[in-house]
Amino acid sequence: GAVVSQHPSRVICKSGTSVKIECRSLDFQATTMFWYRQFPKQSLMLMATSNEGSKATYEQGVEKDKFLINHASLTLSTLTVTSAHPEDSSFYICSARTGISYNSPLHFGNGTRLTVT
Amino acid sequence: SQQGEEDPQALSIQEGENATMNCSYKTSINNLQWYRQNSGRGLVHLILIRSNEREKHSGRLRVTLDTSKKSSSLLITASRAADTASYFCAMYMNRDDKIIFGKGTRLHILP
Repeated sequence: GAVVSQHPSRVICKSGTSVKIECRSLDFQATTMFWYRQFPKQSLMLMATSNEGSKATYEQGVEKDKFLINHASLTLSTLTVTSAHPEDSSFYICSARTGISYNSPLHFGNGTRLTVT
Repeated sequence: SQQGEEDPQALSIQEGENATMNCSYKTSINNLQWYRQNSGRGLVHLILIRSNEREKHSGRLRVTLDTSKKSSSLLITASRAADTASYFCAMYMNRDDKIIFGKGTRLHILP
């Protein structure tokens, strides 16, 4: 089956530093990847849609200069949280579709728990 | 909000009983998907139902879709302790080419 690997699974950083989260599709090519954020016991909020070779599309209210997304290859997308603050502490999850059809399901990474101290 | 609404928010049932979760949404969709999430993990795709379908089965799962009422339901039959998880519906909106998740139902199966 389609596997999405997300790294790191947990990261603790100090306020003001930057953190990079990687999302890889291991056995398929993903032209589109999605980045979500999830607060405890809440749903997933779509942050941005990452398209290989082009700029990401950010959802309303998401600061593109703070959450930098790069999708340089068909198997790798990265999310960099710049100048992190405690309020950025959250669970970040990436996902990818195996096909271009909207009837293709999403495959998720196992998420990254970010704690900013 | 474009999010779907799910009910109940939380559900506790005895092992062996059936569990039903409902999802309502606001806009037109191309398909509706159900996902499962174990605590602190990523989501696992369970089933996808297209807008022109009314019912779909997969093992112990049964999903219905009523586009006139903009609602869907997920039925898990003969529940097991391992079914304990959060379940989310997700709507694909072709106009925006994105998938929006509902608020989820936390299901707890009592042994």
